[in-house]
Order: sequence, then C-alpha cells, then structure tokens
Amino acid sequence: KQEVTQIPAALSVPEGENLVLNCSFTDSAIYNLQWFRQDPGKGLTSLLLIQSSQREQTSGRLNASLDKSSGRSTLYIAASQPGDSATYLCAVSGDYKLSFGAGTTVTVRA
Amino acid sequence: NAGVTQTPKFQVLKTGQSMTLQCAQDMNHEYMSWYRQDPGMGLRLIHYSVGAGITDQGEVPNGYNVSRSTTEDFPLRLLSAAPSQTSVYFCASSPTWVQPQHFGDGTRLSIL
Repeated sequence: KQEVTQIPAALSVPEGENLVLNCSFTDSAIYNLQWFRQDPGKGLTSLLLIQSSQREQTSGRLNASLDKSSGRSTLYIAASQPGDSATYLCAVSGDYKLSFGAGTTVTVRA
Repeated sequence: NAGVTQTPKFQVLKTGQSMTLQCAQDMNHEYMSWYRQDPGMGLRLIHYSVGAGITDQGEVPNGYNVSRSTTEDFPLRLLSAAPSQTSVYFCASSPTWVQPQHFGDGTRLSIL
C-alpha cells in the first residue's frame, strides 16, 4: 500500500522568504506526482503535475522536483506572499488511483 | 463552465439514515472519483469510475455505493449512515486518471 508523508504539518514564514515543502512516498512505482493547493472550506486546485520520467516542473514562482528512486518530491515557492497562505497537498498516482499526503499548512506573515 | 458541482454543501443526518451525495461535471471527463477528508489525514479514495458503466473500489469503500449511468454524473450513496462517516466529501474529475484532477468544493456531512 502506498504511504505518502508530508513534513512539516505546518509552516510559518515572513513575506518574501522562499518556501520549501517536502513529500515522500514509499512505493516508487508511480505514474506521476501532483501538487495541490487547498484554501479553507474549498476544494483542491491542481498546481503542478510531474510525470515519473521528469525531474522537475515549473510554473511561475512554483518549482517542483521529483526523485522517484528515493521516493521524494519538493515544492519550492519563491518570494512568498500572504496570498500563498493555504494547505499544500501532494499526491502520487498509480493503478487508477491517487494517494494523498495529509498536507502542509503554510502561513505567510505580512 | 461550472466545472465540478457537488450538492448539498452541508448535511446533517441521524445514524441509520441513507442519503445520496450528488456530483456532476460538464467537462466531458471520463474519470471521476470520490474522496473523504478527515482532520489530520490526507484525502482517502472511496470509489472511482473510468467511464460510464464502470466503477471500482478505492481505499475505504465500506458503507458507500456508487453508480455511473452517464458521463456527467457520479452520485455517492450512504446506505446506513454511521457517526464514523462524519467527514468532508470531495468529488473530482479528469479526462483520464493520469491527468490533473478538478475538484468540487465539497460536501460537509455530520452524522449524529
């Protein structure tokens, strides 16, 4: 069974600091890895999707890396802003299913 | 373009009652899925469907039924509600299972 872990569970940083969010998974036989953002009381919004054959994916201030052999992914958010405050979840896909981590709740202080 | 629409947004049930959570998407997506989200835990897959007429179980299917008679709709049925089913339920869809999923805003369900 795939286990996905995100550490830390919560993170607070001052505005302008770079954010580093970690995700680890136990079974490297994945098809892809996705990062999502969840605002309070809302559903999830897909941020980035990395295919298992890729090493990284970028979108604006967001960069996600994937090391499938070691079972790790990192989401970097450059020059954080208060609007980046949210919960970030990673999920790995395999066998028609997504397995999610519990998320990291980020607070960016103005 | 409404995306993924879930109804109702909130519901309170008594133990033993049954109900159906509705999910509809207007993007002609083949893959649809249901998750539950509990505090401190990630989303857990309940059931999924790769197309009309095809459904399968996820990680936590007990106590729930699904059907997929059309591409657009994927209702989730609670057969006999239990307090352990108190949770936030999310429906998601995507063109195929390996593409980014679009989520609804969720149904917050409390069972007394």
